[in-house]
Amino acid sequence: AQTVTQSQPEMSVQEAETVTLSCTYDTSESDYYLFWYKQPPSRQMILVIRQEAYKQQNATENRFSVNFQKAAKSFSLKISDSQLGDAAMYFCAYRTYGSSNTGKLIFGQGTTLQVKP
Amino acid sequence: EAGVVQSPRYKIIEKKQPVAFWCNPISGHNTLYWYLQNLGQGPELLIRYENEEAVDDSQLPKDRFSAERLKGVDSTLKIQPAELGDSAVYLCARTGQGDQPQHFGDGTRLSIL
Repeated sequence: AQTVTQSQPEMSVQEAETVTLSCTYDTSESDYYLFWYKQPPSRQMILVIRQEAYKQQNATENRFSVNFQKAAKSFSLKISDSQLGDAAMYFCAYRTYGSSNTGKLIFGQGTTLQVKP
Repeated sequence: EAGVVQSPRYKIIEKKQPVAFWCNPISGHNTLYWYLQNLGQGPELLIRYENEEAVDDSQLPKDRFSAERLKGVDSTLKIQPAELGDSAVYLCARTGQGDQPQHFGDGTRLSIL
């Protein structure tokens, strides 16, 4: 069975600085998706960024980028120029790659990010 | 894309009482999910529907939990009777269009007294 581990329960960053959130996973599959979701205190889970395992290039979305190391089964999220609105709980998630995109998400335990003004 | 609507937003009940949560994926996507999120943890799948059919309910505690998705649109998740350990957030999600990942509702926060 696949597992996702986030070893940093809490992180803090100064506004405008850069922070990296860690995620490792375990799987025997060769094709899969990885995601970072953000959950502000209002609770709605919002997609931040995703990575297809077959793509070697790391995904980037504006201030958010990932460092995907497939052999090491590592998937870290880098937030550049941190903003107060980035404060939230961040979840790393795994999904099996298949003929459809309907598989369940397997989440890590989450990392609470605090942004200091 | 349209969102996922859940109600109620909050629910407080006494233990042993029944409770129900409702989810409308709005845009009528075929696949709907119910996740359980305990405080300070990541969500875990309870059940997944493809249209009206529950295709993955292996983690649904069937002695007290039940779910239905009539007509393949709205879904209801029920707990009867509720226990103290059921206090959590119940999230509903649907698949996005094309190859997009899942979209989540705001969730229902359940508190058992």
